[in-house]
Amino acid sequence: GAGVSQTPSNKVTEKGKYVELRCDPISGHTALYWYRQSLGQGPEFLIYFQGTGAADDSGLPNDRFFAVRPEGSVSTLKIQRTERGDSAVYLCASSSTGTGTDTQYFGPGTRLTVL
Amino acid sequence: GQNIDQPTEMTATEGAIVQINCTYQTSGFNGLFWYQQHAGEAPTFLSYNVLDGLEEKGRFSSFLSRSKGYSYLLLKELQMKDSASYLCAMVDSNYQLIWGAGTKLIIKP
Repeated sequence: GAGVSQTPSNKVTEKGKYVELRCDPISGHTALYWYRQSLGQGPEFLIYFQGTGAADDSGLPNDRFFAVRPEGSVSTLKIQRTERGDSAVYLCASSSTGTGTDTQYFGPGTRLTVL
Repeated sequence: GQNIDQPTEMTATEGAIVQINCTYQTSGFNGLFWYQQHAGEAPTFLSYNVLDGLEEKGRFSSFLSRSKGYSYLLLKELQMKDSASYLCAMVDSNYQLIWGAGTKLIIKP
């Protein structure tokens, strides 16, 4: 069956530009998570959706970061006025119920490079 | 506060056994996950422990001691394909995952 997919796999942009990263979760999974991961580090939580609503956005580093999930399936992470420090791998994960103890299934990630 | 620690890197020999430790401190605990992550790939689920004791799953086993704030992942009959990073993540009182930095396991022939 289809797993979590993310597009693009790689994104190179210039400082100050706007980027959108897309995540397509496993069909039927109600919970969707965004993380970012730097080399040699574990995933850093950004935001969690339960259905269409952001249940926890406490990990978003500042107001340049925003995410939506309008129909409760595909999600888009949007980053405005990108900075070099935003360079990382952005991971998306989904789980069937989002209870926290539910296994999260990860996509392959989008490697963002801000020049 | 909350904290989770694991060794940065370990080396082991093909065919041998290796134990990767993870210690944590938290005011609320709802279980601990282990994930495997090959370089450049997504983390994949290995195990989840919420009760004390050892859970065995083929060549991989995971142990939890809640009173000691300690878990380990045991890998037996190591294969070259087991070279990867191993991430432990605890579920805190808000049911959010707190991730360790990962242990890079290097397998030598």
